[in-house]
Amino acid sequence: EPEVTQTPSHQVTQMGQEVILRCVPISNHLYFYWYRQILGQKVEFLVSFYNNEISEKSEIFDDQFSVERPDGSNFTLKIRSTKLEDSAMYFCASSPDRPAQETQYFGPGTRLLVL
Amino acid sequence: AQSVAQPEDQVNVAEGNPLTVKCTYSVSGNPYLFWYVQYPNRGLQFLLKYITGDNLVKGSYGFEAEFNKSQTSFHLKKPSALVSDSALYFCAVSYRSARQLTFGSGTQLTVLP
Repeated sequence: EPEVTQTPSHQVTQMGQEVILRCVPISNHLYFYWYRQILGQKVEFLVSFYNNEISEKSEIFDDQFSVERPDGSNFTLKIRSTKLEDSAMYFCASSPDRPAQETQYFGPGTRLLVL
Repeated sequence: AQSVAQPEDQVNVAEGNPLTVKCTYSVSGNPYLFWYVQYPNRGLQFLLKYITGDNLVKGSYGFEAEFNKSQTSFHLKKPSALVSDSALYFCAVSYRSARQLTFGSGTQLTVLP
């Protein structure tokens, strides 16, 4: 069964450094998402991406964040200058079409720790 | 704004007994409702969803959920719990006008042998 994959599984970085989190969505899916889960808190939506542009984004997704689909398979989340409060589990998800009712399939997550 | 509430942080049930994990949602149009499960150090795994039609939805691993519009609820149920069902369960909602999922705070289910 196809799965969303994410790399790395864990990332430790110093405050102020740039990080890139990588995701490979399911191959025939058209919509891609990033969510995050701060330890002990809810899973929160960050951004959705369709047809090589941002479709929706939350208030969390400020200028420090960017997303890109650099090739036909990868989908990346970049945090330009990390802050302590960016420490969280970051989940990538993808869905095939008509995303409001289509199931979003999640990857295993990248645990980011900012020191 | 769409929102979801999971009123119980923790649910404990004995193996073989029926289980219920509660979820209520705020009303804004016609919601699409989802249940996901998260095992330790794993991602969110889809269990089931309600889009339209029959209020009783059946999903993976013997789970089901009932959509109740009058009570704005979407409780997750299973007739006979297994120890392996122990995990963190999330209810989520989306709407036709909004693609993103809004998650509840999660309910830790523990099935005791």
